[in-house]
Amino acid sequence: GDSVTQMEGPVTLSEEAFLTINCTYTATGYPSLFWYVQYPGEGLQLLLKATKADDKGSNKGFEATYRKETTSFHLEKGSVQVSDSAVYFCALSDLSSYKLIFGSGTRLLVRP
Amino acid sequence: DGGITQSPKYLFRKEGQNVTLSCEQNLNHDAMYWYRQDPGQGLRLIYYSQIVNDFQKGDIAEGYSVSREKKESFPLTVTSAQKNPTAFYLCASSTYGQGARSDTQYFGPGTRLTVL
Repeated sequence: GDSVTQMEGPVTLSEEAFLTINCTYTATGYPSLFWYVQYPGEGLQLLLKATKADDKGSNKGFEATYRKETTSFHLEKGSVQVSDSAVYFCALSDLSSYKLIFGSGTRLLVRP
Repeated sequence: DGGITQSPKYLFRKEGQNVTLSCEQNLNHDAMYWYRQDPGQGLRLIYYSQIVNDFQKGDIAEGYSVSREKKESFPLTVTSAQKNPTAFYLCASSTYGQGARSDTQYFGPGTRLTVL
């Protein structure tokens, strides 16, 4: 079945460092891909999405490119801030049922 | 403002009791979902509903029940049959069947259930 694999955390960075969180997927067809962010004690917020190969999703300085050839959707940000500290989830949308399949999440901690 | 509301934010239950978690949305979305999140883990799908008066089991439906009598409401009941119900519960909604890419889910703030 479809699945999503994320790099394990926590990822600890200093403010203004470059961020990469790896995400790879297994799916039949061409699902939509998502990054969600969860701040402590809150629900998930959609960060960005991409719906077809080579699409780049972007929001709030974060970017991710839908790479069909490597089945990847890595999240990047050029300069992280303390306020970016959160848990980040990669997910894909099952094309037949529209269910979301989530990775296990990656905790990011940004130190001043 | 449109959005998804969940209540209560915190809920405490004694063993053997049923409890119902509320989820309401005013986004005019057709589909609604319930997820369970355990510490340090991803989200697992409990139930989902793509249209009023219809719902399907997700990956971990045992010990849970739902109803979908109104488009805007999708309550989840955690029954006494659920062996380990302490968790964070998230409700989500999306459009459905209105285009090939009507698949973005929007989440509520969650309810944290603790069994005493």
